[in-house]
Amino acid sequence: AQTVTQSQPEMSVQEAETVTLSCTYDTSENNYYLFWYKQPPSRQMILVIRQEAYKQQNATENRFSVNFQKAAKSFSLKISDSQLGDTAMYFCAFKLSRPDNAGNMLTFGGGTRLMVKP
Amino acid sequence: DAGVIQSPRHEVTEMGQEVTLRCKPISGHNSLFWYRQTMMRGLELLIYFNNNVPIDDSGMPEDRFSAKMPNASFSTLKIQPSEPRDSAVYFCASSSLEGGTQYFGPGTRLLVL
Repeated sequence: AQTVTQSQPEMSVQEAETVTLSCTYDTSENNYYLFWYKQPPSRQMILVIRQEAYKQQNATENRFSVNFQKAAKSFSLKISDSQLGDTAMYFCAFKLSRPDNAGNMLTFGGGTRLMVKP
Repeated sequence: DAGVIQSPRHEVTEMGQEVTLRCKPISGHNSLFWYRQTMMRGLELLIYFNNNVPIDDSGMPEDRFSAKMPNASFSTLKIQPSEPRDSAVYFCASSSLEGGTQYFGPGTRLLVL
């Protein structure tokens, strides 16, 4: 079974600064996906960024980037130039990649509550 | 693309009543997932379907919960009878079999009194 751990229950950052959210996971599989989802107060789950495990290059989406360390099973999210709208819960998630569609579900971490302060 | 659609957005009911949550996945997606989110347990997978067939329902709490997917564009999650501990936000998500990324609906906030 896979597990995902987010060790920072809460974090805060000043507007325009950079913050990094941590995530570690445990798996014996080699092919998988990793995701960061954002959940603002509206409760909507919004995909922030995705990483395929076979890719060595770290994924980036505008102000969001990841530091993917496969050997260390670490997948941190960096938010640059933080904005007030980034205030939300952030969930790290893991999903196996299998051709027979087995294990197709997401395993989530416990979440990190991020507060961006003006 | 309309995204994943869920209804109702909010539901308040009394203990013992039947509750039906509905989901319309993104067109062309053939995997559908039901999750439940509570403060105590976080996000939990309840059940998922591939090509309208239930694949894993090990997360369904008990016999009071049932889910169906009669066709590729519609799924229901039913709770009968409902209990206060069922109060939570219920999310539906969909993905293609190949793509991996799951897209979530806005959720249904259920309160059982």
